Amino acid sequence: SQKIEQNSEALNIQEGKTATLTCNYTNYSPAYLQWYRQDPGRGPVFLLLIRENEKEKRKERLKVTFDTTLKQSLFHITASQPADSATYLCALPLYSGAGSYQLTFGKGTKLSVIP
Amino acid sequence: GAGVSQSPSNKVTEKGKDVELRCDPISGHTALYWYRQSLGQGLEFLIYFQGNSAPDKSGLPSDRFSAERTGGSVSTLTIQRTQQEDSAVYLCASSPNFNEQFFGPGTRLTVL
Repeated sequence: SQKIEQNSEALNIQEGKTATLTCNYTNYSPAYLQWYRQDPGRGPVFLLLIRENEKEKRKERLKVTFDTTLKQSLFHITASQPADSATYLCALPLYSGAGSYQLTFGKGTKLSVIP
Repeated sequence: GAGVSQSPSNKVTEKGKDVELRCDPISGHTALYWYRQSLGQGLEFLIYFQGNSAPDKSGLPSDRFSAERTGGSVSTLTIQRTQQEDSAVYLCASSPNFNEQFFGPGTRLTVL
């Protein structure tokens, strides 16, 4: 069956360091992958989309890679700040069985940046 | 501009009662989604509306769940005869394309 796994439930990192979060998937070849940020009590906020023909994408201090051979995406936050503390979700479009592709989300990694 | 809004923000109900949750998407967004998020779980897809097409209901967990979208804008998710396992945060999202989704703040449903 198709699965999405975010390897760490929680990640603690020192302020200023680079945080690296992992998203793995199995039995699927998605056309793209998305990353979202979710703060407590709020809905997820879209961060980045990377397509299967893109190896890397950057946005300010964020960098996403997409390795379709390894079936893995890495999400990096450089020069991390306490304000980056949140849960980060990866999401892939999976066929719903009813004629459309629906975003399926991983369970997320809770990142805590320690001052 | 205004984002996606949802009401109520919190709903406490007794087992067996029906509840209605409302979502106001971003104006002009043709796609609307409902998800459920339980404690410690990922977002679970429930239903998808795209324009005037028939909705994708493949994620609805039982026939107690239904949703409609009137005039291609506001959507209502209805849960009949609520059960304790229905307790969760219900999130609505809208999208102008098939890429990023814009989420509302969610409705926290507690079934006693």
